[in-house]
Amino acid sequence: TQLLEQSPQFLSIQEGENLTVYCNSSSVFSSLQWYRQEPGEGPVLLVTVVTGGEVKKLKRLTFQFGDARKDSSLHITAAQPGDTGLYLCAGRSTLGRLYFGRGTQLTVWP
Amino acid sequence: ETGVTQTPRHLVMGMTNKKSLKCEQHLGHNAMYWYKQSAKKPLELMFVYNFKEQTENNSVPSRFSPECPNSSHLFLHLHTLQPEDSALYLCASSQGRGDTDTQYFGPGTRLTVL
Repeated sequence: TQLLEQSPQFLSIQEGENLTVYCNSSSVFSSLQWYRQEPGEGPVLLVTVVTGGEVKKLKRLTFQFGDARKDSSLHITAAQPGDTGLYLCAGRSTLGRLYFGRGTQLTVWP
Repeated sequence: ETGVTQTPRHLVMGMTNKKSLKCEQHLGHNAMYWYKQSAKKPLELMFVYNFKEQTENNSVPSRFSPECPNSSHLFLHLHTLQPEDSALYLCASSQGRGDTDTQYFGPGTRLTVL
Protein backbone atom coordinates (compact mmCIF):
# COMPACT_ATOMS: atom_id res chain seq x y z
CA THR A 1 0.00 0.00 0.00
CA GLN A 2 1.40 3.39 -0.98
CA LEU A 3 0.02 5.70 1.69
CA LEU A 4 -0.48 9.39 0.98
CA GLU A 5 -0.86 11.60 4.04
CA GLN A 6 -2.56 14.94 3.58
CA SER A 7 -2.37 17.79 6.07
CA PRO A 8 -4.10 19.56 7.52
CA GLN A 9 -7.27 17.46 7.45
CA PHE A 10 -9.45 20.57 7.94
CA LEU A 11 -8.69 24.23 7.25
CA SER A 12 -11.05 27.14 7.88
CA ILE A 13 -9.87 30.61 6.86
CA GLN A 14 -11.12 34.08 5.96
CA GLU A 15 -11.34 35.37 2.41
CA GLY A 16 -8.06 36.94 1.31
CA GLU A 17 -5.77 34.74 3.40
CA ASN A 18 -3.04 32.53 1.95
CA LEU A 19 -2.77 28.83 2.70
CA THR A 20 -0.69 25.76 1.95
CA VAL A 21 -1.78 22.13 2.09
CA TYR A 22 0.57 19.19 1.97
CA CYS A 23 0.64 15.69 0.54
CA ASN A 24 3.39 13.39 1.83
CA SER A 25 4.45 9.80 1.28
CA SER A 26 7.41 7.53 1.84
CA SER A 27 6.87 6.14 -1.67
CA VAL A 28 8.08 7.49 -4.99
CA PHE A 29 5.44 8.32 -7.59
CA SER A 30 5.83 8.67 -11.33
CA SER A 31 3.34 11.54 -11.25
CA LEU A 32 1.06 13.28 -8.80
CA GLN A 33 -2.35 14.82 -9.33
CA TRP A 34 -4.46 17.28 -7.35
CA TYR A 35 -8.24 17.15 -7.49
CA ARG A 36 -10.94 19.35 -5.97
CA GLN A 37 -14.26 17.88 -4.93
CA GLU A 38 -17.30 20.00 -4.15
CA PRO A 39 -20.35 18.77 -2.22
CA GLY A 40 -22.55 16.50 -4.31
CA GLU A 41 -19.97 16.15 -7.05
CA GLY A 42 -17.09 13.89 -7.98
CA PRO A 43 -13.45 15.02 -7.85
CA VAL A 44 -12.27 17.26 -10.71
CA LEU A 45 -8.63 17.29 -11.80
CA LEU A 46 -6.75 20.55 -11.16
CA VAL A 47 -3.22 19.63 -12.20
CA THR A 48 -0.76 16.82 -12.91
CA VAL A 49 2.93 17.16 -12.00
CA VAL A 50 5.45 14.73 -13.40
CA THR A 51 9.00 15.98 -12.88
CA GLY A 52 10.71 16.20 -9.47
CA GLY A 53 10.86 19.85 -8.40
CA GLU A 54 8.22 20.88 -10.92
CA VAL A 55 6.11 23.93 -10.14
CA LYS A 56 2.82 24.63 -11.89
CA LYS A 57 0.57 27.65 -11.49
CA LEU A 58 -3.14 27.79 -12.10
CA LYS A 59 -4.26 31.39 -11.46
CA ARG A 60 -4.00 31.77 -7.65
CA LEU A 61 -3.04 28.11 -7.09
CA THR A 62 0.60 26.99 -7.10
CA PHE A 63 1.46 23.29 -7.11
CA GLN A 64 4.90 21.86 -6.39
CA PHE A 65 6.20 18.31 -6.75
CA GLY A 66 9.01 17.41 -4.36
CA ASP A 67 12.50 16.82 -5.74
CA ALA A 68 12.34 13.15 -4.75
CA ARG A 69 8.79 12.77 -6.18
CA LYS A 70 7.45 11.65 -2.78
CA ASP A 71 5.55 14.75 -1.75
CA SER A 72 3.68 17.75 -3.06
CA SER A 73 2.19 21.00 -1.88
CA LEU A 74 -0.65 23.24 -2.99
CA HIS A 75 -0.49 26.95 -2.15
CA ILE A 76 -3.49 29.23 -2.60
CA THR A 77 -3.00 32.97 -2.63
CA ALA A 78 -5.80 35.31 -1.53
CA ALA A 79 -8.33 32.54 -1.00
CA GLN A 80 -11.92 33.12 -2.08
CA PRO A 81 -15.17 31.43 -1.00
CA GLY A 82 -15.25 29.70 -4.38
CA ASP A 83 -12.08 27.81 -3.38
CA THR A 84 -14.07 25.93 -0.72
CA GLY A 85 -13.96 22.19 -1.27
CA LEU A 86 -12.15 18.93 -0.56
CA TYR A 87 -8.65 18.91 -2.04
CA LEU A 88 -7.36 15.43 -2.86
CA CYS A 89 -3.90 14.43 -3.93
CA ALA A 90 -3.34 11.23 -5.89
CA GLY A 91 -0.02 9.60 -6.67
CA ARG A 92 0.54 7.28 -9.60
CA SER A 93 2.84 4.38 -8.80
CA THR A 94 5.47 3.12 -11.20
CA LEU A 95 3.06 0.27 -11.98
CA GLY A 96 0.39 2.75 -13.06
CA ARG A 97 -1.96 2.47 -10.08
CA LEU A 98 -3.44 5.72 -8.68
CA TYR A 99 -3.48 6.13 -4.87
CA PHE A 100 -5.53 8.85 -3.20
CA GLY A 101 -5.00 10.69 0.08
CA ARG A 102 -7.86 11.38 2.49
CA GLY A 103 -8.04 15.00 1.47
CA THR A 104 -7.98 18.46 3.05
CA GLN A 105 -11.39 20.04 3.61
CA LEU A 106 -10.99 23.77 2.97
CA THR A 107 -13.62 26.33 3.98
CA VAL A 108 -13.14 29.97 3.01
CA TRP A 109 -15.46 32.40 4.78
CA PRO A 110 -16.51 35.71 3.18
CA GLU B 1 -20.53 18.38 -16.33
CA THR B 2 -17.58 16.00 -16.72
CA GLY B 3 -19.05 13.70 -19.37
CA VAL B 4 -19.64 10.93 -16.83
CA THR B 5 -23.15 10.41 -15.51
CA GLN B 6 -24.31 8.23 -12.65
CA THR B 7 -27.77 7.06 -11.63
CA PRO B 8 -29.36 7.08 -9.21
CA ARG B 9 -27.82 9.99 -7.29
CA HIS B 10 -29.22 8.72 -4.00
CA LEU B 11 -30.22 5.21 -2.96
CA VAL B 12 -31.56 3.82 0.29
CA MET B 13 -31.80 0.06 0.53
CA GLY B 14 -32.36 -2.66 3.07
CA MET B 15 -29.84 -5.39 3.71
CA THR B 16 -31.92 -7.94 1.77
CA ASN B 17 -32.55 -5.78 -1.30
CA LYS B 18 -30.93 -6.07 -4.71
CA LYS B 19 -30.17 -2.88 -6.59
CA SER B 20 -27.86 -1.67 -9.35
CA LEU B 21 -25.84 1.49 -9.88
CA LYS B 22 -25.33 2.74 -13.42
CA CYS B 23 -22.51 4.77 -14.94
CA GLU B 24 -22.25 6.10 -18.48
CA GLN B 25 -19.37 8.00 -20.06
CA HIS B 26 -19.62 10.10 -23.23
CA LEU B 27 -15.90 10.72 -23.61
CA GLY B 28 -14.82 7.81 -25.78
CA HIS B 29 -12.59 6.47 -23.02
CA ASN B 30 -11.30 2.91 -22.82
CA ALA B 31 -11.05 2.48 -19.05
CA MET B 32 -13.75 2.70 -16.40
CA TYR B 33 -13.50 2.52 -12.61
CA TRP B 34 -15.60 2.07 -9.50
CA TYR B 35 -14.46 3.81 -6.30
CA LYS B 36 -15.88 3.86 -2.77
CA GLN B 37 -15.62 7.09 -0.79
CA SER B 38 -16.28 6.81 2.95
CA ALA B 39 -15.85 9.39 5.65
CA LYS B 40 -12.34 9.45 7.14
CA LYS B 41 -10.92 7.08 4.50
CA PRO B 42 -9.09 7.68 1.21
CA LEU B 43 -10.89 6.96 -2.02
CA GLU B 44 -10.83 3.17 -2.38
CA LEU B 45 -10.48 1.70 -5.85
CA MET B 46 -12.87 -1.25 -6.23
CA PHE B 47 -12.79 -2.37 -9.86
CA VAL B 48 -11.07 -1.42 -13.12
CA TYR B 49 -12.21 -2.27 -16.63
CA ASN B 50 -10.11 -1.78 -19.75
CA PHE B 51 -11.77 -2.34 -23.11
CA LYS B 52 -14.69 -4.04 -21.27
CA GLU B 53 -12.39 -6.54 -19.54
CA GLN B 54 -11.97 -6.47 -15.77
CA THR B 55 -8.32 -5.84 -15.04
CA GLU B 56 -8.46 -5.15 -11.32
CA ASN B 57 -10.55 -6.31 -8.37
CA ASN B 58 -9.20 -5.00 -5.09
CA SER B 59 -10.45 -7.75 -2.79
CA VAL B 60 -13.99 -6.44 -2.99
CA PRO B 61 -16.64 -8.62 -1.27
CA SER B 62 -18.78 -10.68 -3.63
CA ARG B 63 -21.91 -8.77 -2.60
CA PHE B 64 -20.61 -6.15 -5.07
CA SER B 65 -20.74 -7.41 -8.65
CA PRO B 66 -19.57 -5.22 -11.53
CA GLU B 67 -20.68 -5.47 -15.15
CA CYS B 68 -19.28 -3.71 -18.21
CA PRO B 69 -21.41 -4.52 -21.27
CA ASN B 70 -19.55 -2.03 -23.49
CA SER B 71 -16.87 0.63 -23.14
CA SER B 72 -19.41 3.37 -22.38
CA HIS B 73 -21.43 1.69 -19.64
CA LEU B 74 -20.54 0.28 -16.24
CA PHE B 75 -22.84 -1.19 -13.63
CA LEU B 76 -22.40 -2.15 -10.00
CA HIS B 77 -24.90 -4.76 -8.85
CA LEU B 78 -25.56 -4.79 -5.12
CA HIS B 79 -27.07 -7.57 -3.01
CA THR B 80 -27.24 -8.39 0.70
CA LEU B 81 -25.23 -5.32 1.63
CA GLN B 82 -24.19 -4.37 5.16
CA PRO B 83 -24.67 -1.00 6.90
CA GLU B 84 -20.90 -0.40 6.66
CA ASP B 85 -21.28 -0.40 2.87
CA SER B 86 -23.03 2.97 3.14
CA ALA B 87 -20.84 5.43 1.24
CA LEU B 88 -20.53 7.55 -1.89
CA TYR B 89 -19.85 5.33 -4.90
CA LEU B 90 -17.98 7.10 -7.65
CA CYS B 91 -17.52 6.03 -11.23
CA ALA B 92 -14.67 7.36 -13.35
CA SER B 93 -13.34 6.92 -16.86
CA SER B 94 -10.02 7.62 -18.58
CA GLN B 95 -8.01 6.83 -21.67
CA GLY B 96 -6.18 4.33 -19.47
CA ARG B 97 -2.59 5.06 -20.50
CA GLY B 98 0.46 7.00 -19.27
CA ASP B 99 1.66 8.97 -16.28
CA THR B 100 -0.64 11.88 -17.10
CA ASP B 101 -3.76 9.75 -17.61
CA THR B 102 -6.66 11.80 -16.27
CA GLN B 103 -9.66 10.22 -14.61
CA TYR B 104 -13.00 11.96 -15.08
CA PHE B 105 -15.41 11.32 -12.25
CA GLY B 106 -19.16 11.20 -12.19
CA PRO B 107 -21.12 12.91 -9.39
CA GLY B 108 -21.51 9.67 -7.46
CA THR B 109 -24.34 7.68 -5.93
CA ARG B 110 -24.92 8.27 -2.22
CA LEU B 111 -25.83 4.84 -0.87
CA THR B 112 -27.40 4.25 2.52
CA VAL B 113 -27.88 0.67 3.73
CA LEU B 114 -30.38 0.29 6.55
